Amino acid sequence: NAGVMQNPRHLVRRRGQEARLRCSPMKGHSHVYWYRQLPEEGLKFMVYLQKENIIDESGMPKERFSAEFPKEGPSILRIQQVVRGDSAAYFCASSPSGTPGGFFGPGTRLTVL
Amino acid sequence: DQQVKQNSPSLSVQEGRISILNCDYTNSMFDYFLWYKKYPAEGPTFLISISSIKDKNEDGRFTVFLNKSAKHLSLHIVPSQPGDSAVYFCAASVGEGNTPLVFGKGTRLSVIA
Repeated sequence: NAGVMQNPRHLVRRRGQEARLRCSPMKGHSHVYWYRQLPEEGLKFMVYLQKENIIDESGMPKERFSAEFPKEGPSILRIQQVVRGDSAAYFCASSPSGTPGGFFGPGTRLTVL
Repeated sequence: DQQVKQNSPSLSVQEGRISILNCDYTNSMFDYFLWYKKYPAEGPTFLISISSIKDKNEDGRFTVFLNKSAKHLSLHIVPSQPGDSAVYFCAASVGEGNTPLVFGKGTRLSVIA
């Protein structure tokens, strides 16, 4: 009865590199949300996905960021050409249909050098 | 433009006493509210929620009060325990379905033994 899994837990990248963050939702959950938490801030919504569909990406920067939730496998948040301002904790949450809030994973802490 | 505000960054309470955490919101479309608890290096954990059709919801030591006219909610923890020491986030959404959450910046609660 595993919870939401995220990996890696810590990721260090140099400016200009790519970061790939993975989220495996809880079993039976088909809805995934990604949130970002900057230091001393609350969590900010980035993107909401269902299997093979992006439902709402209104919180995601238009450039360099993309997300997917394929039919098989984890949801991926991809950040291309990372900059220092991308350093943050990235959390995903999953929920079954019709449940608000969701269950959060432990987060991936991205550090850009 | 912060739609959910937690104006107290920190709060210290003695063990056994009541902890009251406050949250204000500006968006009158919000109709579902949640409180999350977060320990360092972990994801947020759902605590309690309330729909706008209610003004109070209770779960064990935790009670959430909602004042719609004042756009204010509060979380009461009684009696407070050292294990309650964590950062508490207030969150709001429009609707109770799968909609993104808007989070406050959090209040760090310290319960002193």
